[in-house]
Amino acid sequence: NAGVTQTPKFQVLKTGQSMTLQCAQDMNHNSMYWYRQDPGMGLRLIYYSASEGTTDKGEVPNGYNVSRLNKREFSLRLESAAPSQTSVYFCASSEEGLGYGYTFGSGTRLTVV
Amino acid sequence: DQQVKQNSPSLSVQEGRISILNCDYTNSMFDYFLWYKKYPAEGPTFLISISSIKDKNEDGRFTVFLNKSAKHLSLHIVPSQPGDSAVYFCAASVPSNTGKLIFGQGTTLQVKP
Repeated sequence: NAGVTQTPKFQVLKTGQSMTLQCAQDMNHNSMYWYRQDPGMGLRLIYYSASEGTTDKGEVPNGYNVSRLNKREFSLRLESAAPSQTSVYFCASSEEGLGYGYTFGSGTRLTVV
Repeated sequence: DQQVKQNSPSLSVQEGRISILNCDYTNSMFDYFLWYKKYPAEGPTFLISISSIKDKNEDGRFTVFLNKSAKHLSLHIVPSQPGDSAVYFCAASVPSNTGKLIFGQGTTLQVKP
């Protein structure tokens, strides 16, 4: 049982480059989320998808776009990376839309130089 | 505006003693509160939760207490073990069908043998 799989695990980008972070879950969860973790800031919600076909902005959406490709997959795209986007990115999914026990992926450590 | 705050960045306790991690919140509409544990290079894992209609929930060595009048919750770990050394995040659920969670900044717990 893989749970939530994120790729890649590490990435270094130059300022202005673009990339897509991939996330897939095999638990048939409806809701999926993208968070970033920064020192002293905790986990902040970037975008979420309450169900297949819907996406909404979280606390810190600027500079990002998302695609809920199907029920399993939720990708995060950086169109023009900036050093301020250096962070650890976590994808998560949940069984119900009630905030119970997210299952998180292992994270993508992104450095923008 | 940080709606969920963990004011202690770190905590060190001796093995076998009690660990108490604290969390404060500002939004009285939160309906669920959760604690997550995170080891280095891994995603957070769900630990324990409590509904806003309760004041205590227990699961083995872990107990969460909720004081709604003070907008404060705490996680007690008794007895603490070296394997409990990790970053602990508290989170609060926004009442909606989206499952969004607002996380605190995290507290790093070190349990010394």
